[in-house]
Amino acid sequence: AQTVTQSQPEMSVQEAETVTLSCTYDTSESDYYLFWYKQPPSRQMILVIRQEAYKQQNATENRFSVNFQKAAKSFSLKISDSQLGDAAMYFCAYRVNNNDMRFGAGTRLTVKP
Amino acid sequence: DTGVSQDPRHKITKRGQNVTFRCDPISEHNRLYWYRQTLGQGPEFLTYFQNEAQLEKSRLLSDRFSAERPKGSFSTLEIQRTEQGDSAMYLCASSQDGIQQPQHFGDGTRLSIL
Repeated sequence: AQTVTQSQPEMSVQEAETVTLSCTYDTSESDYYLFWYKQPPSRQMILVIRQEAYKQQNATENRFSVNFQKAAKSFSLKISDSQLGDAAMYFCAYRVNNNDMRFGAGTRLTVKP
Repeated sequence: DTGVSQDPRHKITKRGQNVTFRCDPISEHNRLYWYRQTLGQGPEFLTYFQNEAQLEKSRLLSDRFSAERPKGSFSTLEIQRTEQGDSAMYLCASSQDGIQQPQHFGDGTRLSIL
């Protein structure tokens, strides 16, 4: 079974500081994609960043970067210079082949001014 | 790009009634997905379409659930004889073909069963 685990139900960070959200997954596949999605309160889910399993270089998107450890099946998200608008639920997701995505239970991020 | 739109945003109904939700994907996307999200959880996959063909259904999709995408554009998700446990947010997403393509989500339809 393919599962995604987010071990931190809630995290908080001071504005302008850095926070890391953890994600582990379980798969027997060798090629897959990993995604981080953000879901602000009462708003739609939007893509933050994605990573292909075959690429060793960690993906970065502005203040967002990942630490992808394929052997450990770990895919953490680092948010630098946190802003109030970063407050949201963050979901880690895994996709193999061309099918559906499997999501973790999410981490609720609070940003303190 | 008008995004993925879902209708209605909220639906309140009595147990035992039938409900139907609609999803309009991004126009150039040939893949369309339905997910269910309960409070405090991530989305759970229900089913997906490539064009008009329904290619996969989750075991979560009981025989009371049916989804269609008749012309490969919009999709409907119908729940018959609703139960309390059907209360959830129903999310629709669309994407282009390819494992690397991200799914674009709609705002969802929140279903409440009285």
